[in-house]
Amino acid sequence: AQSVAQPEDQVNVAEGNPLTVKCTYSVSGNPYLFWYVQYPNRGLQFLLKYITGDNLVKGSYGFEAEFNKSQTSFHLKKPSALVSDSALYFCAVRGGNSGGYQKVTFGIGTKLQVIP
Amino acid sequence: KAGVTQTPRYLIKTRGQQVTLSCSPISGHRSVSWYQQTPGQGLQFLFEYFSETQRNKGNFPGRFSGRQFSNSRSEMNVSTLELGDSALYLCASSPQAPQETQYFGPGTRLLVL
Repeated sequence: AQSVAQPEDQVNVAEGNPLTVKCTYSVSGNPYLFWYVQYPNRGLQFLLKYITGDNLVKGSYGFEAEFNKSQTSFHLKKPSALVSDSALYFCAVRGGNSGGYQKVTFGIGTKLQVIP
Repeated sequence: KAGVTQTPRYLIKTRGQQVTLSCSPISGHRSVSWYQQTPGQGLQFLFEYFSETQRNKGNFPGRFSGRQFSNSRSEMNVSTLELGDSALYLCASSPQAPQETQYFGPGTRLLVL
């Protein structure tokens, strides 16, 4: 069964500092990996995804993520945090086996708090 | 393009009642998925529909059911509501293929008293 782990319930970072939100996954076959962000009382917004190719993926609002196959990780990063980045971040994975569609599995979410 | 819409946005029911939630996907999207979001549990997958067929199903009891219509609109139904069904129910649509991005609606917040 596929799974996603976000080991930190909350990450605190000072404004202007780099941030990292961690995600590891377990899936059969090649993974499709996603990051979403949720602001209070809103639905989820897509940030970026890894399908294939370059391990470093760039997304919306200056975020990027690095796919590491050997460590089965897909950590979200940003060089300089903004107070407006404070939100709930979800990592998700879907197994990419050909011939079938696996469900999307989400992590439990990591709350990012950027301190002014 | 209009985004994913969900109705109603808020709902209050009592235990034992049933409820139907509706989702209209982005125009042209043929896949619709449903998730239950609760504090501490993250997003739990309910089901995924594609072209009126259930493509995947999560680990929820049979009280939770869904369907998709020919215009890709989807409904989910929860019968015999329990207090633990109180949650934010999110709908997401995507074009077709599994590597494509899911686009989420604002959700329906269900409170069961």
